[in-house]
Amino acid sequence: DTGVSQDPRHKITKRGQNVTFRCDPISEHNRLYWYRQTLGQGPEFLTYFQNEAQLEKSRLLSDRFSAERPKGSFSTLEIQRTEQGDSAMYLCASSLLWASGSYEQYFGPGTRLTVT
Amino acid sequence: QQQVKQSPQSLIVQKGGIPIINCAYENTAFDYFPWYQQFPGKGPALLIAIRPDVSEKKEGRFTISFNKSAKQFSLHIMDSQPGDSATYFCAASYSGAGSYQLTFGKGTKLSVIP
Repeated sequence: DTGVSQDPRHKITKRGQNVTFRCDPISEHNRLYWYRQTLGQGPEFLTYFQNEAQLEKSRLLSDRFSAERPKGSFSTLEIQRTEQGDSAMYLCASSLLWASGSYEQYFGPGTRLTVT
Repeated sequence: QQQVKQSPQSLIVQKGGIPIINCAYENTAFDYFPWYQQFPGKGPALLIAIRPDVSEKKEGRFTISFNKSAKQFSLHIMDSQPGDSATYFCAASYSGAGSYQLTFGKGTKLSVIP
């Protein structure tokens, strides 16, 4: 399977704990995005990387959130001191930046986070 | 501020019917309009997309109609099947931002009954 993969698929944690999610993009895709989706809503942009550089962060990404893409391949999203409001589906997407742009984004299956 | 408004919130059609989902956008800088299909517990899957230089695009049973002056676009599903039952999201992005981040509508839950 050459699609975007995410791990774990589900995570249940207690309030105040730290969690880390991993995303493996489609190979050779140089752009990687993180989105958050709450129940009944569309995904909302959190941040994106071009290769290993994090180029933009949404105002939704509080200072408890940190993302990395150390070698320009897989990415991790860490949430520190989780709160109940962090409960959501965290989606990763990847795309290839061409000279003409970088439009098509392909999503992974997501990581469902439940904070109790 | 919701930049992409999607309607209806839910839709029920008979098998073989043609569900139509509508979206309206506010930012005239948007230059890419994809539709995604999402099944429960899965990530969104890219279905079809259009650029504002064309008014219609068809791929298989899925058609996007685009009205630049009205700032609206819609998804039509021809000969709908029970397997099409899913949540559909419209989205928009623009190249000027550099990020090409997608702004999504709130989704339409489609049920196709046999």
